[in-house]
Amino acid sequence: GDSVTQMEGPVTLSEEAFLTINCTYTATGYPSLFWYVQYPGEGLQLLLKATKADDKGSNKGFEATYRKETTSFHLEKGSVQVSDSAVYFCALSEDYGQNFVFGPGTRLSVLP
Amino acid sequence: DTGVSQDPRHKITKRGQNVTFRCDPISEHNRLYWYRQTLGQGPEFLTYFQNEAQLEKSRLLSDRFSAERPKGSFSTLEIQRTEQGDSAMYLCASSLVGLAGEDEQYFGPGTRLTVT
Repeated sequence: GDSVTQMEGPVTLSEEAFLTINCTYTATGYPSLFWYVQYPGEGLQLLLKATKADDKGSNKGFEATYRKETTSFHLEKGSVQVSDSAVYFCALSEDYGQNFVFGPGTRLSVLP
Repeated sequence: DTGVSQDPRHKITKRGQNVTFRCDPISEHNRLYWYRQTLGQGPEFLTYFQNEAQLEKSRLLSDRFSAERPKGSFSTLEIQRTEQGDSAMYLCASSLVGLAGEDEQYFGPGTRLTVT
């Protein structure tokens, strides 16, 4: 079945550091790819998405490019802030429903 | 609109008891999902509804679990004869499916269940 693998956390960075969170996937078809973020005490929120190969999703300074050849969707941000501290989930969907699959999440802590 | 809401936010119950959770989706959303999330893991799909019809159920959803969405608005998830392995965060999400396809899923804050 479909699956998503993320780099293990926690990831601890200083403010203004560069962030990369790796995400790779396996899927039988051609899924859409997502990054969700969960801030402390809040529900999951969609951060960005890409629906086909070579698409780049971007939001709030975060970017991720759909790489079909490497089955990856790595999340990057050039300069993190303390307010970016959260858990980040990579996910894929072949057609929603039970084909919506999340990775285990990566906790990011940004220190001032 | 205040988004997806879930009630209660926390529930502690003894093994063997029944529990029921409620989810109120965003009002115009026609699709509603239930997920379970355990510590250190991402959400796992349980079931989803299109309006009042339950369209898919995961193999994770044993016969002790039942979900309803009687009028296509709010939904309930009931767990009968709870077991300690049912301890988890139960998440609800809703989305709008139209001619252009499905919009993103909006998640509620979750109900944390602890079975003692």
